[in-house]
Amino acid sequence: AQSVTQPDIHITVSEGASLELRCNYSYGATPYLFWYVQSPGQGLQLLLKYFSGDTLVQGIKGFEAEFKRSQSSFNLRKPSVHWSDAAEYFCAVGTMEYGNKLVFGAGTILRVKS
Amino acid sequence: GAVVSQHPSWVICKSGTSVKIECRSLDFQATTMFWYRQFPKQSLMLMATSNEGSKATYEQGVEKDKFLINHASLTLSTLTVTSAHPEDSSFYICSALAGGPLEQYFGPGTRLTVT
Repeated sequence: AQSVTQPDIHITVSEGASLELRCNYSYGATPYLFWYVQSPGQGLQLLLKYFSGDTLVQGIKGFEAEFKRSQSSFNLRKPSVHWSDAAEYFCAVGTMEYGNKLVFGAGTILRVKS
Repeated sequence: GAVVSQHPSWVICKSGTSVKIECRSLDFQATTMFWYRQFPKQSLMLMATSNEGSKATYEQGVEKDKFLINHASLTLSTLTVTSAHPEDSSFYICSALAGGPLEQYFGPGTRLTVT
């Protein structure tokens, strides 16, 4: 069965510090990978996506993510966090074999301290 | 591009009444939309896949007769919560397929409170 694991429920970083949010998946096929961000009471905004090609992908707001097939991971990174990055981050995975549906991780809440 | 809207953004209704939530793709056509439910401090739970011109596909455990979905046009899908009860109170989010494979764009969500 498909599954997505975000092992960190909460993460707190200082403003200006680097950030890495972890995402691991369990799939039998080539996955399509996404990171979304959700501010309180809002919908989800797509940060970046990976389908194929270069395993390091750049997204909006200075975020990047690296696909590592050997580790079944797609971790999200940002070199310098801003207070406005405080939100909840969701990793999502899908495959064409399961139609167009995405499976979401449980989410990681990012807190930024000044 | 790829903007999705939802209406209303929040609604309060009395137990036993029905509530309709609209999901619109504003600048693109969406043959496939999705409806999710999100409880506080939890992830998104897919309720159903809405396909234009055909019946929705519901996930296991979701009551079809309670959560009626209609995808009558390429830009509009509606979710009707029938005979709502307090346990139906939740944050409902829709999304639409656009761009690359499996790429979903989300609406801002609808907060439903049933009293």
